[in-house]
Amino acid sequence: AQKITQTQPGMFVQEKEAVTLDCTYDTSDPSYGLFWYKQPSSGEMIFLIYQGSYDQQNATEGRYSLNFQKARKSANLVISASQLGDSAMYFCAMREGDTGRRALTFGSGTRLQVQP
Amino acid sequence: AAGVIQSPRHLIKEKRETATLKCYPIPRHDTVYWYQQGPGQDPQFLISFYEKMQSDKGSIPDRFSAQQFSDYHSELNMSSLELGDSALYFCASSALAGGPIQETQYFGPGTRLLVL
Repeated sequence: AQKITQTQPGMFVQEKEAVTLDCTYDTSDPSYGLFWYKQPSSGEMIFLIYQGSYDQQNATEGRYSLNFQKARKSANLVISASQLGDSAMYFCAMREGDTGRRALTFGSGTRLQVQP
Repeated sequence: AAGVIQSPRHLIKEKRETATLKCYPIPRHDTVYWYQQGPGQDPQFLISFYEKMQSDKGSIPDRFSAQQFSDYHSELNMSSLELGDSALYFCASSALAGGPIQETQYFGPGTRLLVL
């Protein structure tokens, strides 16, 4: 079974609007971390935001926020006030366990295109 | 802030040749991860090192080997290259400063390997 599922292969959004990128996960481990990364066409993988399984509040980082619904096992990324530079591939990833130094499992990604 | 450094950034090899990719982690990061991202794919975990010892192993082919040196840099050695090895190879580094669940992996710019 897929551990990370991103059901939107591609998304379009108008500049200055908000957009939500979906991510659902599957784990039986009570301790886990969820991450979002941005990959522009140049290829680098840029860390955006993190949410821990025990965090009570949704993570926020500038224009990025994470809508964490633990019971639904979803961790959707919300980008507010989209900019042309936000056009990129976005990956949701999970690390299971509380011992650290564990590999990330990635979803298949969502390609976001911001239109002027 | 210092980032993960990878070299070379681009590499072209013939089938059956060997390649060595290098990774210099962020200063004071003690764990290094290697990922492979095929065209249109999500990154797949290959192998990781903590304090110069292999920490975890993923889908790394037997033709590949890796190590971490005393200065914490890591090298991924790839032999008998195949066409299917053409991919973007990422190195990531992390530290447990914020606790094991919060550990965030920061990725380098990647090495783009093309096998002809």
